[in-house]
Amino acid sequence: ILNVEQSPQSLHVQEGDSTNFTCSFPSSNFYALHWYRWETAKSPEALFVMTLNGDEKKKGRISATLNTKEGYSYLYIKGSQPEDSATYLCALSAGNMLTFGGGTRLMVKP
Amino acid sequence: DADVTQTPRNRITKTGKRIMLECSQTKGHDRMYWYRQDPGLGLRLIYYSFDVKDINKGEISDGYSVSRQAQAKFSLSLESAIPNQTALYFCATSDSGASGQWNEQFFGPGTRLTVL
Repeated sequence: ILNVEQSPQSLHVQEGDSTNFTCSFPSSNFYALHWYRWETAKSPEALFVMTLNGDEKKKGRISATLNTKEGYSYLYIKGSQPEDSATYLCALSAGNMLTFGGGTRLMVKP
Repeated sequence: DADVTQTPRNRITKTGKRIMLECSQTKGHDRMYWYRQDPGLGLRLIYYSFDVKDINKGEISDGYSVSRQAQAKFSLSLESAIPNQTALYFCATSDSGASGQWNEQFFGPGTRLTVL
């Protein structure tokens, strides 16, 4: 069983603040790193899939970076908005399955 | 219409009862998965199936069984439900072809199960 850890577990920010959180994973047997966004009462939805060391992905105000050698990925949200409130899950693909971290729950106050 | 559907969406049952959760998908994917979500623990894999004749145990399969009735349908059963199986259950699918090489998964809306 792979150990995928996310920090912090929860985060409260004010509207307009920029924020970031971390996903740590074992650097051996790396295949791909996924970020999902999960809003309450909805299905988790894929944000990014990253495969190469140094990968950077961006979607609107959300971006992510990947360091496979040291085993971490950062997710950044610039100028947080209340609609960004969700749980952000990272998952490590090391073959045919995904191993999920515990998630970071983000709450953005208006 | 949603590509991955789950029924029921909510269920309350008693200890010892048999429960079946159903998942259907219209994405044409051959791989299907069942996860449970508990607060602070992320999603943990219960069972997965890569085609109709393939069933594999995941991280936490004890107390659960599955059936892959067709490519589009994957059911999860709790033969004798117990309170610590109270959780949010998600079904997911992925494509084994070129578009699915990184194993991106597509999730259903979840089933909230409470075992009293």
